[in-house]
Amino acid sequence: NAGVMQNPRHLVRRRGQEARLRCSPMKGHSHVYWYRQLPEEGLKFMVYLQKENIIDESGMPKERFSAEFPKEGPSILRIQQVVRGDSAAYFCASSPSRNRDSTEAFFGQGTRLTVV
Amino acid sequence: GENVEQHPSTLSVQEGDSAVIKCTYSDSASNYFPWYKQELGKRPQLIIDIRSNVGEKKDQRIAVTLNKTAKHFSLHITETQPEDSAVYFCAARGTGGGNKLTFGTGTQLKVEL
Repeated sequence: NAGVMQNPRHLVRRRGQEARLRCSPMKGHSHVYWYRQLPEEGLKFMVYLQKENIIDESGMPKERFSAEFPKEGPSILRIQQVVRGDSAAYFCASSPSRNRDSTEAFFGQGTRLTVV
Repeated sequence: GENVEQHPSTLSVQEGDSAVIKCTYSDSASNYFPWYKQELGKRPQLIIDIRSNVGEKKDQRIAVTLNKTAKHFSLHITETQPEDSAVYFCAARGTGGGNKLTFGTGTQLKVEL
């Protein structure tokens, strides 16, 4: 049973380009969470998605950032017109359901975005 | 929303000593408190968790305590070893639904020989 898969592991983009980060949840998991970790800081919640639905996007910047989790395929975190401040590690986590008694969220290996 | 504070930000101990990391949370409805260990360049890995209906949980050298009244919880590592050196994050699951976690700012633990 593969864990949460994120790709790419490392991504370099020039200022102004677009970055697309992918996350495939664990088998049987239908809920995905994206977190951002700035250098030497903690993880900050960005967005919580279920298949074809955004449940909570309270942590998403208002501009340039979007996320989706289509019926088929991985969840995508998209950052348009990247700036140097977007350089960070982006982690995806998945869990089986929305139920508050669900067990832990499992983290992927992360995508390290560097904007040059 | 939930707010989690974590102390200390850095902790240095001698091998074999104990290490204690403390966190406080703001949302009294939070019911799940995991602790993650993150090594440099790697993903956070769950090391222990506790639910709000339990006051203490232990797993070998690691234990977590929860005081719901005071809204704080602590991680205790006994007989520390060099491989325990890492950044440790506490987290709390608030009332937002699902498994959305609010993390503390992390503690850099260094176990010295």
